[in-house]
Amino acid sequence: DVKVTQSSRYLVKRTGEKVFLECVQDMDHENMFWYRQDPGLGLRLIYFSYDVKMKEKGDIPEGYSVSREKKERFSLILESASTNQTSMYLCASSSPGGRGRTDTQYFGPGTRLTVL
Amino acid sequence: GESVGLHLPTLSVQEGDNSIINCAYSNSASDYFIWYKQESGKGPQFIIDIRSNMDKRQGQRVTVLLNKTVKHLSLQIAATQPGDSAVYFCAGSGTSGSRLTFGEGTQLTVNP
Repeated sequence: DVKVTQSSRYLVKRTGEKVFLECVQDMDHENMFWYRQDPGLGLRLIYFSYDVKMKEKGDIPEGYSVSREKKERFSLILESASTNQTSMYLCASSSPGGRGRTDTQYFGPGTRLTVL
Repeated sequence: GESVGLHLPTLSVQEGDNSIINCAYSNSASDYFIWYKQESGKGPQFIIDIRSNMDKRQGQRVTVLLNKTVKHLSLQIAATQPGDSAVYFCAGSGTSGSRLTFGEGTQLTVNP
């Protein structure tokens, strides 16, 4: 079974703090994704990565950065946390699918971040 | 751009009944669709998927139907149980690579 783990289930930070959210997958997947989930807005893609040291902006990258130094680990960084970044953050991974095909994304349990 | 949406934000059924959750998509080039189940406080859990070369796929108590003509897919849950209570949302492949576009979700409530 695919396992995607996230470093924290709940996190409380103060405005202006630097926040690191870590995600690790154990299925040797090339693709990894960071989403945020808010009521009424569904899942929105922040950043994704197709390979080590590679990153692509998603739909809402402002205020975030990412790091992928190892294949199994994808980190989301909030350089200076703000209250509007209070949300549920979800990490996912998938295999490349081959020939441009999309494959199943498997999700971690989520990190509920509150910025005060 | 691509959009994926669900028809109803909430659905309430009696235990033992069959449930049908619907989803519409806009991108006729989408070739892959997934249904996820998300319980409160947890991450989305894969239920079943289907590629565009099929119109029906069955799993354990679940069936996904894909109608490419009207760009509609549905999730059918047979003999719905209290443990099926959750938010269900569909996702479809987008216009680039491995990205998925997600619908907002239908809250399924199963009444005993």
